[in-house]
Amino acid sequence: GAVVSQHPSRVICKSGTSVKIECRSLDFQATTMFWYRQFPKQSLMLMATSNEGSKATYEQGVEKDKFLINHASLTLSTLTVTSAHPEDSSFYICSAREDNHQPQHFGDGTRLSIL
Amino acid sequence: GENVEQHPSTLSVQEGDSAVIKCTYSDSASNYFPWYKQELGKGPQLIIDIRSNVGEKKDQRIAVTLNKTAKHFSLHITETQPEDSAVYFCAANDYKLSFGAGTTVTVRA
Repeated sequence: GAVVSQHPSRVICKSGTSVKIECRSLDFQATTMFWYRQFPKQSLMLMATSNEGSKATYEQGVEKDKFLINHASLTLSTLTVTSAHPEDSSFYICSAREDNHQPQHFGDGTRLSIL
Repeated sequence: GENVEQHPSTLSVQEGDSAVIKCTYSDSASNYFPWYKQELGKGPQLIIDIRSNVGEKKDQRIAVTLNKTAKHFSLHITETQPEDSAVYFCAANDYKLSFGAGTTVTVRA
C-alpha cells in the first residue's frame, strides 16, 4: 500500500527555535499534501494544503508566517514551525495523495515539545 | 463547509462481538467517505472507504454503509479482536477531508 514517511517522529527543543518536519511519499508521487495538527484526545485539524510547485493554502486562523510549508517536489513537503513557543507543542501529521481520485495516506506524525 | 458528527465517542465491546460507529454529514455535495484507525502515538491508517455511488462496501471483518438521502454512514466491525482497539475517525468530502471527533474503541478480552 501507499507509504508516507514523516521525520522526525519526536522533537524537543527550546522556545524560540525553528523546527522543520519532513513528509515524504515513498512509493507514489503526491500532487497534494496536507498538514494537520492534533491535540490530545481530539480530532485532526487541517492546517494547510499544498500542491507541488505552488504556494500552500492555509486554513482560517493558521498563521502562514508561523508555519512555513514548502512542497518543492512530488515526493517531499516540509513544515517549518518558526520561532516555536510552548503553545506550538502538539502532534503534527502530514498526509499525501497521488491525485484527486486517490485516498489520503498519513504519516506517523511528529510529536513537537517546546520547552 | 462540511460538518461531520460521529457517535459514540467511546465504545467498549467484548471480544468476538460487533462494533458499530455512526457518522452524519451536512454537505450533500460530499461524495467520498473514508474511515481511519489511529493507534496511540501513530498517524491515522486508512481501513476502508466508500464513494457516493455505492451503498455498501465490505473488506473481511470491516464493512461500511452509506445512506445518501439521510446523509449518514456507518462502520461495522464484526468478530472484534483486541488488536481492533484504537481510535476510529470517519471523514467526508473529497478534495479536503472533514473529520469526525473520533470513537475510542476498546475490545475486552
